[in-house]
Order: sequence, then C-alpha cells, then structure tokens
Amino acid sequence: EPEVTQTPSHQVTQMGQEVILRCVPISNHLYFYWYRQILGQKVEFLVSFYNNEISEKSEIFDDQFSVERPDGSNFTLKIRSTKLEDSAMYFCASSGGEGTDTQYFGPGTRLTVL
Amino acid sequence: AQKITQTQPGMFVQEKEAVTLDCTYDTSDPSYGLFWYKQPSSGEMIFLIYQGSYDQQNATEGRYSLNFQKARKSANLVISASQLGDSAMYFCAMREYDTGRRALTFGSGTRLQVQP
Repeated sequence: EPEVTQTPSHQVTQMGQEVILRCVPISNHLYFYWYRQILGQKVEFLVSFYNNEISEKSEIFDDQFSVERPDGSNFTLKIRSTKLEDSAMYFCASSGGEGTDTQYFGPGTRLTVL
Repeated sequence: AQKITQTQPGMFVQEKEAVTLDCTYDTSDPSYGLFWYKQPSSGEMIFLIYQGSYDQQNATEGRYSLNFQKARKSANLVISASQLGDSAMYFCAMREYDTGRRALTFGSGTRLQVQP
C-alpha cells in the first residue's frame, strides 16, 4: 500500500542552524502538506502546496519557513534559523484532491533544537 | 473559538469491550468533513475513518464506526471489541470544503488505554 515517507526520523540541531526536512508523498497525489505537533499538544497546520506553489499557510508559517518540491518525488520543509520553540514533530501529508480528499500522513520527523 | 473539541483527555477500556471517544465541532460551513486519526506511541498518524456532512449514513470501517449527530455537531468514534493494539492517542479533525481551504483543524486528542 502506498505511503508517505519522511527523513530523517529524528533531527537534532543547534539553535540558529538551518534544517531541511524531507518527505516523499504518495506518488499520484497532487496536494502536499506540512503539520507540526509540539510535544503533548495538538497537531497544527503549517502549509499546503499544489502545482508547485503554496496554496495556503498558517500564521505559524512565517519567513523562517519555506517549502519546495525540488524534483518529481520529494517535498521539503526548510527552517532557516531554528529556534528552541521549533522543537516539535513535523508531519508531511499528501492527498489526491478528489472525493473525500483524505490526507495521509508520514511517520513524522522529530526535530530537537538545542 | 475551538473548532474541534475532544473533552476526554484519557479513557480506559477493557479488552473486547466497546468504547466511544467524543468529538464536537463548530462550523458555519454546510459542507465539511470529519476525520479520525490514530497516533500510537511510535508517533505516526494513521487515518481511520471519514464522515462527510452530507452523508446520510454513519460511516463504518471494520471495528470503527462514527456516531454522527449533525444537529448536535458531534462525531463520536466508536471502537468495538477493543484490542490491546488500540491503545493510542486519537485525534478528531475537520476540513471545511466551501472555504476552499484544505487545512485540517485538529482537536486536542484522547488517550485511550486498553486494559487486559
């Protein structure tokens, strides 16, 4: 069964460093998303991406964040200068755009900023 | 205002019994979808079941079913014949279709523990 994959599973970085989180969405899906979940809190939407551009973003997704689909399979989230409060689980998701348009999530990347 | 409310931070259930996890929502959009996801301790988010606002019947998917009460704006997840592997966090989420937005809004989750 097709699934969303994410790498790495765990990333530790120093405050102020740039990180890139990688995702491979389900191959025939058209819409891609990033969500984050701070430890013990609810899952929060960051951004959605369609047709090589951002279609929607939340207040959390400020200038420190960017997304890119550098090739036909990968979808990345870059945090330019990490802060302590960026420590969270980051989930990539994808959906096909039709019917219920259910979003399928990857296993997540746990980002720890020291 | 909270769009998705899950009032049960934690629930216990005996193995093989049924359990209901509550979810209420708030929207003025007549077209919306409600999703339930399971998050085991390993951290991944697993899609379980979907209910559309215009669906005439309650959704079912194996041991999962939704008790959808549109007038009360509730979409409670029912897990029948609980198994030890059902122990996890369960999140209710909503998407509003008429806004054109695709973002899911999540509730705070319910931690279910299945006891042998």
